[in-house]
Amino acid sequence: DAGVIQSPRHEVTEMGQEVTLRCKPISGHNSLFWYRQTMMRGLELLIYFNNNVPIDDSGMPEDRFSAKMPNASFSTLKIQPSEPRDSAVYFCASTPEPSYGETQYFGPGTRLLVL
Amino acid sequence: GQQVMQIPQYQHVQEGEDFTTYCNSSTTLSNIQWYKQRPGGHPVFLIQLVKSGEVKKQKRLTFQFGEAKKNSSLHITATQTTDVGTYFCAGRRTDSWGKLQFGAGTQVVVTP
Repeated sequence: DAGVIQSPRHEVTEMGQEVTLRCKPISGHNSLFWYRQTMMRGLELLIYFNNNVPIDDSGMPEDRFSAKMPNASFSTLKIQPSEPRDSAVYFCASTPEPSYGETQYFGPGTRLLVL
Repeated sequence: GQQVMQIPQYQHVQEGEDFTTYCNSSTTLSNIQWYKQRPGGHPVFLIQLVKSGEVKKQKRLTFQFGEAKKNSSLHITATQTTDVGTYFCAGRRTDSWGKLQFGAGTQVVVTP
């Protein structure tokens, strides 16, 4: 069982650049979540997809952030343009259940540093 | 809005001692989950509690869900260095698509 796969694991970029984070959920899981973790704000839910459809994007910080899920096995989180305050660990998680209150399986995360 | 609060934020424990971390919600929860995140790692699911007053044990870890389903606790006995990490509770809301609301976590440091 491969688990949730995220890439890249680490990303260092300069302010103003576009950043794309990628996630492959566990096969057969139909719900996918993007989280952001910082020391100051803890673990924040950014967006939730069910069956590839965004259900709740109320946690997306602003228009610079966008997320897509073109198929059941792939999702992206894009930041354009990036800013230093976007520096954080971004986790992707998936669950086999349609409701997002169920057990969540987290990926290893992408550690993003914006200079 | 609904919030899940965890106390303490930090816990320094001598190896062999017991400690408890608490999770409190402003409203009734459908269920509560606990996750552990090792330093540099990702949150890993530990357990889910659903019933009012439920108590579950995993070796040295005891999880409890309050009678009103608004609070929960994690008690660790005879702490070991392997218990180092941040423990998160996550409460499932009864509204808003059953959204999982994570607490801020309790960071546990174990002194040998």
